[in-house]
Amino acid sequence: DGGITQSPKYLFRKEGQNVTLSCEQNLNHDAMYWYRQDPGQGLRLIYYSQIVNDFQKGDIAEGYSVSREKKESFPLTVTSAQKNPTAFYLCASRGASGNTIYFGEGSWLTVV
Amino acid sequence: RKEVEQDPGPFNVPEGATVAFNCTYSNSASQSFFWYRQDCRKEPKLLMSVYSSGNEDGRFTAQLNRASQYISLLIRDSKLSDSATYLCVGQGVSGGYNKLIFGAGTRLAVHP
Repeated sequence: DGGITQSPKYLFRKEGQNVTLSCEQNLNHDAMYWYRQDPGQGLRLIYYSQIVNDFQKGDIAEGYSVSREKKESFPLTVTSAQKNPTAFYLCASRGASGNTIYFGEGSWLTVV
Repeated sequence: RKEVEQDPGPFNVPEGATVAFNCTYSNSASQSFFWYRQDCRKEPKLLMSVYSSGNEDGRFTAQLNRASQYISLLIRDSKLSDSATYLCVGQGVSGGYNKLIFGAGTRLAVHP
C-alpha cells in the first residue's frame, strides 16, 4: 500500500544526544514536510523540501537539520542544540497536482 | 494574533446533536482551506476541503466566508466516533511554496 512511514514511533533521548527520525514515502510525492506538535498547540513547520537535494527552513528550524538525498526519504535530525525537543513529530508529503498533504503516523520523542 | 484561530473547546455534546465549529484567519492571501480530524495521539487526516460555495459530505458541511475571513464546520447527528480534535487549516503561497497554517484545533467529545 502507498503511504508515509515514520520510525521509530517512540524514542527516548538523553540530553546532549542527537537523534534522527526517519520518514519514507512511496507516493512519488515531490514535496515533503516536517512538523512539530506540542500539547494544545497547532502544528508548526520545522523544514520542508519541494524537490530532491533542496530543502528550506520552516518557522522553527533552530536545533534541527534535514537532508533530501532521495525523493522517497526526508530524515530529520534533532540536535543537542534543540533546547526543548520533547514533542510529537509529524512527517508529511504532497504531490505536484494536489493541495492535500498526507501525514505519517508520527514519532513521539521524549528527552529523559 | 495567530494566523488561524479556533475555539479550543472542548465541546461536549450528546449523540445526535448538531455542533458547529468556527475558525478565523488573518491572512487574506490564503487561498485554500481544509478541515482535518486528529484522534488522540494520532496523525491528522483530511476530513474535507472548504469551498466558497459551501460543500457537504454526508453529515458534515463546510463553509468559507472570505469577506469575514472565517471558516465553519457543521456536524449533524453526532456519533460517538466523531469524538476527536478538528483542525482548521489555511493554505497560501509564501516564499515560493505552498504554506499550510494549522489552527490549534477544537476538541469534540460526543457522549451517549
